[in-house]
Amino acid sequence: GEDVEQSLFLSVREGDSSVINCTYTDSSSTYLYWYKQEPGAGLQLLTYIFSNMDMKQDQRLTVLLNKKDKHLSLRIADTQTGDSAIYFCAESDTGFQKLVFGTGTRLLVSP
Amino acid sequence: ETGVTQTPRHLVMGMTNKKSLKCEQHLGHNAMYWYKQSAKKPLELMFVYSLEERVENNSVPSRFSPECPNSSHLFLHLHTLQPEDSALYLCASSQVGKNEQFFGPGTRLTVL
Repeated sequence: GEDVEQSLFLSVREGDSSVINCTYTDSSSTYLYWYKQEPGAGLQLLTYIFSNMDMKQDQRLTVLLNKKDKHLSLRIADTQTGDSAIYFCAESDTGFQKLVFGTGTRLLVSP
Repeated sequence: ETGVTQTPRHLVMGMTNKKSLKCEQHLGHNAMYWYKQSAKKPLELMFVYSLEERVENNSVPSRFSPECPNSSHLFLHLHTLQPEDSALYLCASSQVGKNEQFFGPGTRLTVL
């Protein structure tokens, strides 16, 4: 079955760049997503990328996709303490929006 | 209210109780979802409703019973749960044909 893997934890200092990595196994993945979850809250969609793209930039966020290696990354430039949260990678195929999520990466930003 | 709302936000119940979780979306979407989020495990998709019809039941035990009376409301009826059912239950909605799901804040369920 489909599988999405992420490292569990990342710690950076404020102002540095953060890079959160994700690997997936489903070669038919069409869309790949990054969600953010703050404590006590639901998931907030940050950005997504279509599988025929290799990069997408949205303000401080840059998503890189290596489809050959099935590797997705999220780079947060100038990381702020407010970026501390759990970041989930997810993928879906062209089917009925069935998202498969990773276990999440907890990002801790220290002053 | 905007977005996706869920009530209650916290629920503690005994194994013999019956309770219901409620989700309401104010986005004009026509698909709704229940997910289970347990510690250190990926989010698990439980149920999907599209145009008020259930289109996915991801091998969920029958002690969880969903109901979708209209495109804006989704319920999850709970009965005779087990302690391992304690988790954060997240509701989401989307527009069929669009690849974005919007999540509610979740209900933190504790089964004693």
